[in-house]
Amino acid sequence: KAGVTQTPRYLIKTRGQQVTLSCSPISGHRSVSWYQQTPGQGLQFLFEYFSETQRNKGNFPGRFSGRQFSNSRSEMNVSTLELGDSALYLCASSSPPRERQETQYFGPGTRLLVL
Amino acid sequence: QQQVKQSPQSLIVQKGGISIINCAYENTAFDYFPWYQQFPGKGPALLIAIRPDVSEKKEGRFTISFNKSAKQFSLHIMDSQPGDSATYFCAASWTLSSGSARQLTFGSGTQLTVLP
Repeated sequence: KAGVTQTPRYLIKTRGQQVTLSCSPISGHRSVSWYQQTPGQGLQFLFEYFSETQRNKGNFPGRFSGRQFSNSRSEMNVSTLELGDSALYLCASSSPPRERQETQYFGPGTRLLVL
Repeated sequence: QQQVKQSPQSLIVQKGGISIINCAYENTAFDYFPWYQQFPGKGPALLIAIRPDVSEKKEGRFTISFNKSAKQFSLHIMDSQPGDSATYFCAASWTLSSGSARQLTFGSGTQLTVLP
């Protein structure tokens, strides 16, 4: 089974621009979560989507948004980029909890640099 | 109350030694405690996880010890190998709702270096 894929892997943007990142979950997984990883703040939860609906959201400003498509692929968008948005953005997919299985499988991430 | 505190920040051990990483939490609603391993340029990968109804879980060279009363849990890596050199994150989560994936709260990470 192919793992979680994220595109692009690297991205350079300038302040004020917007960016869209894409995530394809493991086949059959319907839940997609997004995390931001920075040296200063570590790994922080952004939001989670299941069946095209956002079910949970972390403590990030409204500039961070996402969506999920009917095939479970997900995108996240960051508008009006700030220098502090430079980070590794990780996507994780999981299947609905079944028999207490709840492993989240992470993709390799998209490295975003804001200049 | 959402925080998970992890220590040490970095750890150097000799090959064959035992690596121990500790985490502490405040939120008693947490009911799932995974450990993730991350290599440079890769996303975190689940190593081992435990629920608070058991005090210890072992998988190969990796063991989680869990102390519910102290709200602490730790990862022990026995017979540490150079290939274990990576960043390790503890995490915690609680059940949000039926069918909902877990929102993971991560520790700050431990950079483990195993010397040959």
